[in-house]
Order: sequence, then C-alpha cells, then structure tokens
Amino acid sequence: QQQVKQSPQSLIVQKGGIPIINCAYENTAFDYFPWYQQFPGKGPALLIAIRPDVSEKKEGRFTISFNKSAKQFSLHIMDSQPGDSATYFCAATLNFGNEKLTFGTGTRLTIIP
Amino acid sequence: DTGVSQNPRHKITKRGQNVTFRCDPISEHNRLYWYRQTLGQGPEFLTYFQNEAQLEKSRLLSDRFSAERPKGSFSTLEIQRTEQGDSAMYLCASSPYQAEQFFGPGTRLTVL
Repeated sequence: QQQVKQSPQSLIVQKGGIPIINCAYENTAFDYFPWYQQFPGKGPALLIAIRPDVSEKKEGRFTISFNKSAKQFSLHIMDSQPGDSATYFCAATLNFGNEKLTFGTGTRLTIIP
Repeated sequence: DTGVSQNPRHKITKRGQNVTFRCDPISEHNRLYWYRQTLGQGPEFLTYFQNEAQLEKSRLLSDRFSAERPKGSFSTLEIQRTEQGDSAMYLCASSPYQAEQFFGPGTRLTVL
C-alpha cells in the first residue's frame, strides 16, 4: 500500500520560475515530513522538513506548505536555477523522524535556461 | 569527510553468488537505516538499528537478506544467493535520536 503519493512524475520549468511538487499522505499518525533532493548516482540529500504544527516553512529558496486537514504538503522552489535540476522526493515518518521514512515516487525536475 | 560512507560503490555479481555491503555511519549517530531504491522509484525501507539492536525489518527483507551492526558502529548487509530482482541501489542512512536521516552515496548492485 503506497502511503505517500507524489505528483507530478516529471516537471520542466524555465529558469526563474517556481516549480511546485505535491504530496499526499494517508497515515494521520505521520508527524514529520522531509523533502530530499537526489542527483544521478548520489544518495538523497535532505533539503527541508516540516512538522504538522506549522503550515509553512522556508529555508532559502525552498518552501514547504502543509495542509493537515487535507493531508497534503508541497514543495515550492523560488527563483529556480539549472543547478536545481534533480529528482525530488517527499517523505513521511513517525515519532518526529525517529522511524523509517516512507517515500513518494519522486519528481524529476528540469530547469531550462 | 564526516558523512555516511558505503562500500563498495558498485558491485557486479552473477546470479546465485553472495554479496556483502558495508555502511559506516556518521560518528555518534545511534540509528542506522538500510533502504533499497530501484530505477525511477523512491527508496524503500529494509531495516534499521538503534545501536546494535535491529528494531524493525521490512517484509521486503526475505530470508536471503541479513543485516548486522556489531558494537553499534558500522553495519553490513548481506544478500545470499542473489537473484536478478535484487539489482538496485542499496542506501544507508544514519541519524541521532529524533533528527534527520543523512544518506550515504549508495551501493549499486547489478546481478547478471
């Protein structure tokens, strides 16, 4: 059973645009939602994470929006750059990150100059 | 480099052979996780340790898979009698208590 659904599967945005990646979860017990960035041949790298007691979190050009009632959260990348081209995964876990991560299926993002 | 390290980075083996991967976590991280990632998919949880204790195993982890973390430091993941379906990237992550998981570069396994 897939517990975290991610969309779109792929996304192409022009430089400077704001790509938006969406995720929805089923398990209401999840209490920690990180986003990871992965480049080809590398392991995932943590970008930003949020807990359900806040509706938005910003770190640099990356923003997470969180809607607890809808069980949805999204990643926005401001002023996107070609170097942001990568695969992005949302994830969810229990016990404030102390348990296994359940990942979405990933979004391949391409930023064109 | 003080990040999570994994060895080898690539492994090519023939079907039926045994393989072993090693993960060295970030120093003082008491939690260590193993995930498997196939092409175009997100990582899937396999197992995790708190110190030397193996706390959870996924049903993905068949009897051919075994993981250890002696002395609560590095960990090994062994696959016996490899099958072509075992071909994947095997990722290790570590974390301190109630904090983010940091991933290593992975070991890419190809079973011919």
